[in-house]
Amino acid sequence: KAGVTQTPRYLIKTRGQQVTLSCSPISGHRSVSWYQQTPGQGLQFLFEYFSETQRNKGNFPGRFSGRQFSNSRSEMNVSTLELGDSALYLCASSLQTSGTTDTQYFGPGTRLTVL
Amino acid sequence: AQSVTQLDSQVPVFEEAPVELRCNYSSSVSVYLFWYVQYPNQGLQLLLKYLSGSTLVESINGFEAEFNKSQTSFHLRKPSVHISDTAEYFCAVTARGNAGNMLTFGGGTRLMVKP
Repeated sequence: KAGVTQTPRYLIKTRGQQVTLSCSPISGHRSVSWYQQTPGQGLQFLFEYFSETQRNKGNFPGRFSGRQFSNSRSEMNVSTLELGDSALYLCASSLQTSGTTDTQYFGPGTRLTVL
Repeated sequence: AQSVTQLDSQVPVFEEAPVELRCNYSSSVSVYLFWYVQYPNQGLQLLLKYLSGSTLVESINGFEAEFNKSQTSFHLRKPSVHISDTAEYFCAVTARGNAGNMLTFGGGTRLMVKP
């Protein structure tokens, strides 16, 4: 079974632009979560989507948004990019057959550089 | 809310020596615990997890971790490391019973195995 895939793998943008990152979960997985990884702040939870609804949200500004499609694929969008948004953005999927916590499997990430 | 502290940011060790990577957590509710490993330029891979049952959990590549509720710890150990174990290791927790996934990570420990 294919793992979590993320596109693109690398991205360079300039301040003020917006960016969209894509995540395809493992087949059959219904939950998709997004994390930001930076050297200074480490790994931080952005948000989680389940059945096309945002179920949990981390402490990030409204410039960070996401959505999930009916096939469980997810996108996250960052508007008005700032230098501090440079990071590795990781997507994780989980099966979620019940409503409780399930093991998350991570993709390789998208490396975003903001100039 | 939960927090995770990984006490060592870097652990240098010689090949075939034992190693322990320390993880302590703080939470007002019961938690599930995870160890993930990240190799350079890759995403996170699940190493092992504690959900319930035996407090000693093992991975397929020789790592083990023991959940100690009284000390709120989940230290990772391996009796004999290999060069290929060089990577960054992250301890993570999530609250039991939550509807959804929201991992809180420690700052990571870089394991450097020397020949």
